[in-house]
Amino acid sequence: AQSVTQLGSHVSVSEGALVLLRCNYSSSVPPYLFWYVQYPNQGLQLLLKYTTGATLVKGINGFEAEFKKSETSFHLTKPSAHMSDAAEYFCAVRRDGNNRLAFGKGNQVVVIP
Amino acid sequence: DGGITQSPKYLFRKEGQNVTLSCEQNLNHDAMYWYRQDPGQGLRLIYYSQIVNDFQKGDIAEGYSVSREKKESFPLTVTSAQKNPTAFYLCASSRTNTGELFFGEGSRLTVL
Repeated sequence: AQSVTQLGSHVSVSEGALVLLRCNYSSSVPPYLFWYVQYPNQGLQLLLKYTTGATLVKGINGFEAEFKKSETSFHLTKPSAHMSDAAEYFCAVRRDGNNRLAFGKGNQVVVIP
Repeated sequence: DGGITQSPKYLFRKEGQNVTLSCEQNLNHDAMYWYRQDPGQGLRLIYYSQIVNDFQKGDIAEGYSVSREKKESFPLTVTSAQKNPTAFYLCASSRTNTGELFFGEGSRLTVL
């Protein structure tokens, strides 16, 4: 069954420093992979997605992620953290053709001034 | 603007009462989903529907019910059989086969 692992429920990063959130997946078929962001008491917003093609994917707000099949990973990065990046981030993998997604448990990002 | 509207945003319920959460979309998406979110647990799928008048149980359907009488609407009822209903509920929709989900703003249910 498709699944996602995100380590470290809380991640602290200094303003201006690199943001790195790790995501490893398990999938028996070529994966569709997603990163979503959630601000307090709001729904999820898509940051970026990988389906096929280029393995380095650029998203909104300066985020990008690289699909590495050999490592079964899809880590999210941003070169320089901004205070507005404080939020919860979820990695997800598509489970089947019905677009059901399996979500990781999320990373709560705190940005330190 | 197109999007997904969930209501109410906050809801309080006494034990033993059923409550219905509304989800309406004007994106013309075929598929709709209900997820439950608890702190530190990620999102868990309750029910999903690929087409009008058809829906399937997700991973945690016990104590919940849904209907899909219109393409735009997918209401969720939290019944008194749900043992721990206090949670944040998220509705989503998607075009068939794209993989990407679009989410509403969520409804927070608190059982008193």
